[in-house]
Amino acid sequence: KQEVTQIPAALSVPEGENLVLNCSFTDSAIYNLQWFRQDPGKGLTSLLLIQSSQREQTSGRLNASLDKSSGRSTLYIAASQPGDSATYLCAGGINTGGFKTIFGAGTRLFVKA
Amino acid sequence: DAGITQSPRHKVTETGTPVTLRCHQTENHRYMYWYRQDPGHGLRLIHYSYGVKDTDKGEVSDGYSVSRSKTEDFLLTLESATSSQTSVYFCAISGGPRGTGELFFGEGSRLTVL
Repeated sequence: KQEVTQIPAALSVPEGENLVLNCSFTDSAIYNLQWFRQDPGKGLTSLLLIQSSQREQTSGRLNASLDKSSGRSTLYIAASQPGDSATYLCAGGINTGGFKTIFGAGTRLFVKA
Repeated sequence: DAGITQSPRHKVTETGTPVTLRCHQTENHRYMYWYRQDPGHGLRLIHYSYGVKDTDKGEVSDGYSVSRSKTEDFLLTLESATSSQTSVYFCAISGGPRGTGELFFGEGSRLTVL
């Protein structure tokens, strides 16, 4: 069974700290790895998409890496801010005749001012 | 933001009544999906569509049906709603012209079945 696991489930850090969120997946045949942000009561916002042929993607203070051989992805957030508080989900795209996506349960992040 | 509109955004209904949720996209993406999100279960795929009139089941399709008569619209129907279908439902799209497989989500529809 294809699974995506996120560690830790919850994280609380002081403002300004650099932090890393971890994601592991069991299916090395993923064709992409996507990181999302979800605020309470809202939909998922796409943050970064890494294709299977890529190693990392960057957007502002965010950097996501992908290591297919080890089945791992990380989301690095630099100089965290209270506005970064949200749930972060990673998801692996699996090609099984259609674009299907397997989601992790998410990491709830709280950045203290 | 991707142009995805879900309606209604909130609905309260009674057990046994039919319910239809609508997803409308303005992005001309090929694939459309319906997910439900529940505490302890995360996001689970209900049904998806890979083109007009082409749909398939996801992992939790029992009690749900879908239709896609136009590229831009994907309907999710609960023929006879049950309390276990109380959830937040998300529509998503992918398969845009860039071909990256990037997934975009709507804002969600919160359904309560009493």
